[in-house]
Amino acid sequence: EDQVTQSPEALRLQEGESSSLNCSYTVSGLRGLFWYRQDPGKGPEFLFTLYSAGEEKEKERLKATLTKKESFLHITAPKPEDSATYLCAVRTNAGKSTFGDGTTLTVKP
Amino acid sequence: DTEVTQTPKHLVMGMTNKKSLKCEQHMGHRAMYWYKQKAKKPPELMFVYSYEKLSINESVPSRFSPECPNSSLLNLHLHALQPEDSALYLCASSQNPYGGEQYFGPGTRLTVT
Repeated sequence: EDQVTQSPEALRLQEGESSSLNCSYTVSGLRGLFWYRQDPGKGPEFLFTLYSAGEEKEKERLKATLTKKESFLHITAPKPEDSATYLCAVRTNAGKSTFGDGTTLTVKP
Repeated sequence: DTEVTQTPKHLVMGMTNKKSLKCEQHMGHRAMYWYKQKAKKPPELMFVYSYEKLSINESVPSRFSPECPNSSLLNLHLHALQPEDSALYLCASSQNPYGGEQYFGPGTRLTVT
């Protein structure tokens, strides 16, 4: 069975304090690992797609990396507006998406 | 434009009502999805339409009935729902039914009384 585990469940940072979120996965037939950001009461917003181990993607203060068993979302010098729930998801050969439970990030000014 | 629209934004319905949720995308995507999300939980896949045909049904109760009238539209018909069906219902689309990122709509907040 496909499994996606995110840690930590919640993360509180001071503005400017860099950190990383983890997403570990076990799937058969990975067709991509995805990071989304979700604000309360809204739909998830696509951030990154990673397909193969060693791949990295960057966008503003965010950088996503992928190994054969896990992905990291690195947040450099976060700002309060980066506060949200960050979801990791994997897609398999069957076309299904499995989401992790998310990490709720709070950045204090 | 990566917009997926959903209507209505909020819906309150009784257990004997029939209502429908609507989703629309104009990105030319060939796959569309319905997800259910409960508070503080991740989205749970309900249905997948690939090239306007139902390709995945995640054992969803028959009181939820999806419909894909054309490649841009996706409906979810609701009938005889239970209070535990109250949730945020999300629609998403993707270019490729078997891979690639999904673009989500803002969701419909459903309350069953």
